[in-house]
Amino acid sequence: EAQVTQNPRYLITVTGKKLTVTCSQNMNHEYMSWYRQDPGLGLRQIYYSMNVEVTDKGDVPEGYKVSRKEKRNFPLILESPSPNQTSLYFCASSPLGAPTGTEAFFGQGTRLTVV
Amino acid sequence: GNSVTQMEGPVTLSEEAFLTINCTYTATGYPSLFWYVQYPGEGLQLLLKATKADDKGSNKGFEATYRKETTSFHLEKGSVQVSDSAVYFCASIRSGYSTLTFGKGTMLLVSP
Repeated sequence: EAQVTQNPRYLITVTGKKLTVTCSQNMNHEYMSWYRQDPGLGLRQIYYSMNVEVTDKGDVPEGYKVSRKEKRNFPLILESPSPNQTSLYFCASSPLGAPTGTEAFFGQGTRLTVV
Repeated sequence: GNSVTQMEGPVTLSEEAFLTINCTYTATGYPSLFWYVQYPGEGLQLLLKATKADDKGSNKGFEATYRKETTSFHLEKGSVQVSDSAVYFCASIRSGYSTLTFGKGTMLLVSP
């Protein structure tokens, strides 16, 4: 079954304590990305990756890091989380430069609370 | 650049009512257009899509037609159910690219 798996689903942490949210896909997709979803703001892209070792900033990259050492994994790293990073996070994957209309697949989401 | 604008919610309807959620886009060239749905506590999943002008996407009783002349992709359903309560996102993507541009989402609440 085609799947994007994120872990954990829920996380409560304290300000400044480094954390990693993992994302893995089983579809051999080149393109992966991270979004955050906030009320009234919709989905905003944090970072994306077009292939192994190729990453780039999205619309709201401040305070986040990513890595792409393997094609299937794209972890999101918060080196020093702050309360304004409390949000719902989604990982997504799709084929790169896909034929028109190819859909993106999304993970189930990670609800992060920073206190 | 690309952008997607959709009507703000929440949209509150009674069961069996007619639904329209408006979506307009600006884009370079001819993007593909999508509606994604997010049920409570879940991730986004593709509801329907259209890849060229006058295409109609449809799924689960929902429909949307790609209107190039009005740059619109409005979502419609003739008779909503309580189980349709969710957040709906309109999105676009440029041909050959991989980055989706999302609208802000519209929450739909359907009461019995």
